Amino acid sequence: AQTVTQSQPEMSVQEAETVTLSCTYDTSENNYYLFWYKQPPSRQMILVIRQEAYKQQNATENRFSVNFQKAAKSFSLKISDSQLGDTAMYFCAFTSQGGSEKLVFGKGMKLTVNP
Amino acid sequence: NAGVTQTPKFQVLKTGQSMTLQCAQDMNHEYMSWYRQDPGMGLRLIHYSVGAGITDQGEVPNGYNVSRSTTEDFPLRLLSAAPSQTSVYFCASRRRQSSYNEQFFGPGTRLTVL
Repeated sequence: AQTVTQSQPEMSVQEAETVTLSCTYDTSENNYYLFWYKQPPSRQMILVIRQEAYKQQNATENRFSVNFQKAAKSFSLKISDSQLGDTAMYFCAFTSQGGSEKLVFGKGMKLTVNP
Repeated sequence: NAGVTQTPKFQVLKTGQSMTLQCAQDMNHEYMSWYRQDPGMGLRLIHYSVGAGITDQGEVPNGYNVSRSTTEDFPLRLLSAAPSQTSVYFCASRRRQSSYNEQFFGPGTRLTVL
């Protein structure tokens, strides 16, 4: 069974700083997708960034980038130039490429960006 | 497009009561799913459907029923609510052929069972 682990329950950072959120996962599959979701106080699940396992190039979306290490089963999220609006819960998630409907989530990490 | 919509946004039930959480999507997505989110945990899959008339169990299906009579709607039924079902419920959908198997989430329903 796949598992996703987010070992840091909470972090805080100053506005404009860079912060890295860690995520590790366990799977025996070779083809899969990884995601980072943001959940602000509104509780809406917002997709931040996604990565295909077979792509070696790390995904980037504006201020957000990932460090994907397939052999180490690590998928960390880097947020550059942190903004107050980045304050939220962040969830790392995994899904198989094979069409399984199961998105496996980590327990989440609360990020607070301070002015 | 309204995307994925859920009603109600909030609900309080007494133990033993029944209710249906509604989920609808207007994107013609074949796949729809229900997740629950408990404090300190990520979302966990309750039930899912790969098309009208087809449903299957996820990780935590006990206490919940689903049916899928149309592509658009995927209601979640609690037949006899229990305090352990206090949670936030999310509905999600995606196309069968989609990039990254990306799922689109509704805004959630916060359910409290007293």
